[in-house]
Amino acid sequence: EPEVTQTPSHQVTQMGQEVILRCVPISNHLYFYWYRQILGQKVEFLVSFYNNEISEKSEIFDDQFSVERPDGSNFTLKIRSTKLEDSAMYFCASTSPEKLFFGSGTQLSVL
Amino acid sequence: ELKVEQNPLFLSMQEGKNYTIYCNYSTTSDRLYWYRQDPGKSLESLFVLLSNGAVKQEGRLMASLDTKARLSTLHITAAVHDLSATYFCAVDRGSNYKLTFGKGTLLTVNP
Repeated sequence: EPEVTQTPSHQVTQMGQEVILRCVPISNHLYFYWYRQILGQKVEFLVSFYNNEISEKSEIFDDQFSVERPDGSNFTLKIRSTKLEDSAMYFCASTSPEKLFFGSGTQLSVL
Repeated sequence: ELKVEQNPLFLSMQEGKNYTIYCNYSTTSDRLYWYRQDPGKSLESLFVLLSNGAVKQEGRLMASLDTKARLSTLHITAAVHDLSATYFCAVDRGSNYKLTFGKGTLLTVNP
C-alpha cells in the first residue's frame, strides 16, 4: 500500500534554531497537511495545502511556521526559530477522496 | 469552536470482555473518524462514518454514529491483547480533513 514518508524520524535542535521537516506525500494526492501531537496530548491541525498555497491554517501556525512544496514530490514544514514548546511529534498527511493518510511522524525535540 | 470529548480517557480491560468508548462533539459535522495509535507510531485509520445511523465493523471493533445526539461509539467485542493502543475519534466539519481530535482513550487489554 502506498504511504506517506517523513524524514527525519527524530530531530533534536537548540532553541532558536531553524528546522525543516520533510515529507513525501502519496504520489497522486493533491491535498497535504501538517498536524502535531505534543507528548501525551491530542493531535492538532496545523495547516492544509493545495495547489501550491495554504488552504487553511490554525492559530498554532504563526509567522514562525511556513510550508513549501519545493518540487513535485516533497512537502516541507519549516520552523524559523524554534521554541521549547515546539517540541512535539509532527505528522504529515495527504488525502485520497475518502481517506486521510498519515506519515510515521518526526519527533522534534527542542533543547 | 468545535469540541470533541472522549471518554473514558483510560480503559483497562480483561481479555474476552466487551466495552464501549464514547465520543461526543459539540457542533454538526460532516464526517467522523476513528484512529488507532500504537506508542511512538503514526495514526492508523480504522473507520470513517459519514451519515446518521452509520455502523461499520472490522474484526472485534464496531463504530457507530448518531448525528442527532452528536455521539459516536467504538465498541470492542471480546477484547484481545493486540487491541491495546490509544484510540482517537476526530471530527471533520467541512469535509476538508481539518480534523479536530479528541484526547484519545488509552486502552490496555490484560491477559
